[in-house]
Amino acid sequence: DAGVTQSPTHLIKTRGQQVTLRCSPISGHKSVSWYQQVLGQGPQFIFQYYEKEERGRGNFPDRFSARQFPNYSSELNVNALLLGDSALYLCASSLSGPLNEQFFGPGTRLTVL
Amino acid sequence: QKEVEQNSGPLSVPEGAIASLNCTYSDRGSQSFFWYRQYSGKSPELIMFIYSNGDKEDGRFTAQLNKASQYVSLLIRDSQPSDSATYLCAVKNTGNQFYFGTGTSLTVIP
Repeated sequence: DAGVTQSPTHLIKTRGQQVTLRCSPISGHKSVSWYQQVLGQGPQFIFQYYEKEERGRGNFPDRFSARQFPNYSSELNVNALLLGDSALYLCASSLSGPLNEQFFGPGTRLTVL
Repeated sequence: QKEVEQNSGPLSVPEGAIASLNCTYSDRGSQSFFWYRQYSGKSPELIMFIYSNGDKEDGRFTAQLNKASQYVSLLIRDSQPSDSATYLCAVKNTGNQFYFGTGTSLTVIP
C-alpha cells in the first residue's frame, strides 16, 4: 500500500509570498495532521483534521491555515511568508482521530529567501 | 516549561547493549504517548505507542509509562548500528494537541 504522499518535495519562495502544500493520506485514513520541523528540533504541531473538521490547532499564527477535502487529502497554506517559516513541513495520517497512531509522509522542504 | 522534554544526548552505546531513552511531559491529563525514530534527512517513523501505565514490549523495544511521575521511556535491547538515529518522544495532551520533544541522538558503536 502507498504511504503518505506530499507535494512538492522542495519549494523556494521569497518573503511575503504565499505557499500551498499538499498531502494525501494512507488509503482508509481519515485524519491528517501537519507539523513544522526546523533543523535540530522535533516536529511542532500545526493542525489536525479529522473527517474534514479541524480537531486540534498548535501555537501558530493565523498566517497558517489548512483544510481537508472529501477524499481526506489536505492542504496547508501559509501567507505572508517570513524567513523563519523555512523548515520541513510534515504531514501525518492516522486511521481515526482518537487512535492517533500517526504515519508521516516524506515532507516538503520550504526555503524562504 | 516545555510540554515534552528529552535529553538531547548524544547517547552512545556499544553494539549489543541496552539503550535507554527518557522523556517527561507536563500535561498530567495526557493519554497517548509515542516513540518515533528519525534518520538524518528522513521523516519520523513510528516505533511504539503506549496508553496505559506499565510496560509494552515489541521485539527489541520496550516502552514504559509512569503517569504518576509523568515519565515515558524507551528501552532498546541488543542495540544494533542500524538503530543509530534520533528518537523522538511525542505526547497527545488534553487539548488534543501533539507535542514532540527535541529528540535524543543515539549512536550504536560496532
